[in-house]
Formats: sequence, C-alpha cells, structure tokens
Amino acid sequence: KAGVTQTPRYLIKTRGQQVTLSCSPISGHRSVSWYQQTPGQGLQFLFEYFSETQRNKGNFPGRFSGRQFSNSRSEMNVSTLELGDSALYLCASSLLAGARETQYFGPGTRLLVL
Amino acid sequence: AQSVTQLGSHVSVSEGALVLLRCNYSSSVPPYLFWYVQYPNQGLQLLLKYTTGATLVKGINGFEAEFKKSETSFHLTKPSAHMSDAAEYFCAVASNSGYALNFGKGTSLLVTP
Repeated sequence: KAGVTQTPRYLIKTRGQQVTLSCSPISGHRSVSWYQQTPGQGLQFLFEYFSETQRNKGNFPGRFSGRQFSNSRSEMNVSTLELGDSALYLCASSLLAGARETQYFGPGTRLLVL
Repeated sequence: AQSVTQLGSHVSVSEGALVLLRCNYSSSVPPYLFWYVQYPNQGLQLLLKYTTGATLVKGINGFEAEFKKSETSFHLTKPSAHMSDAAEYFCAVASNSGYALNFGKGTSLLVTP
C-alpha cells in the first residue's frame, strides 16, 4: 500500500499570503489529523477529520482551517500568514478516528514564511 | 491532562552499545503510549505502541519498550545501536479526550563509530 502523501513538500510564502496544503491518506483510512512541528513548540495537534467532519481542533487561531473530501483526502489552509507559521506540517492517517488508533504520518510540508 | 516528558534532549552512544531513551508519562486514565522516530527531512515513523496487556512491547528495527505503571515510565531500548539509528525519537501519549497525540520534546540520538 502507498503511504501518506503530502504536497507540496516545500513552500515559501510571504507574510499576509495564504497557503493550502494537501494530504492523501493511506487507501482505506478515513481519519486524517494534522500537526505542526516547530523547534520551539515541538509537535502540536491542529485538527482531526473523519468522514468529512472536523471532530476536534487544537489550540490554534481561526486562521488555520481544514477540510476533508469524500475520498478522505484532506487540505489545510492558513490565511494571513505570519512569520511564526514557519514550520513542518505533518499529516497522519488512521483507519478510524482518535489518537488511540495507530496513526501513519506523511513526510510533511515544510513552510517558510518570509 | 495526559503528557509525556522525555529526559535528555540529546543522547550519544557508541555503535554496538545499548540504547536507552527515557520517557515518563502523566495520565489520569490507563494510557496509550507510542514511540515514533523521525529521520532528517522525513515524517514520523511508528516504532511501537502500548495499549493494554503485555507490558513489554516489541517494535520494529530491534527496539522495545517496557510499560512500568509504578514508575509511570515507558523507556525505549535497543540492545545494540547501529549507525542507522541516528535520528530524533518522540514519545507520545493519547490525550485524555482521545483525539490528539501529546508528544514529548524529542530526544536526538547520535551514534558514534
């Protein structure tokens, strides 16, 4: 089976712009979670989607949003980018919802905001 | 709230030596615990997972971890380090609500010849 794929792998944006990141889960997986990884804050949970519904959201401002499509692919969007949004954004998929399920991570999208 | 603390942000071992990476957890309910590894410029790869039952969990690449409730620990070990084990290792616990993984700050493992 193909693993979790994320596109693009690298992005450079400027402050104030918006960005959309994409995640394709492992075939058959219905849950997608997003995490932000930075040197200072480490790995932080952004949100989780299951069957096209956002089940949970972490402690991030409303500029961070996401959605999931009927084929389980997910996108996350960050509007009005700030320098502090520079990070590695990781997507993880699992068969069912919840962190107790085994989550399989993609390679990440590295976002640099200038 | 569920949390984990990884002791030692950097660990250095010689090739062939024992690897021991420490993780202590805080949980108000029986925890689900995980160890992940991250190689440079890559995502996270699951090494092993503890749910319930047997306290010694065997994972991939020769790693194993032992759940010790009395010590609230879930340390990761490998009998003999390989150069290819050099990476960042993360301990994680499923959150109270069960929807997020709460990660430790990570331990960078350096393996010297």
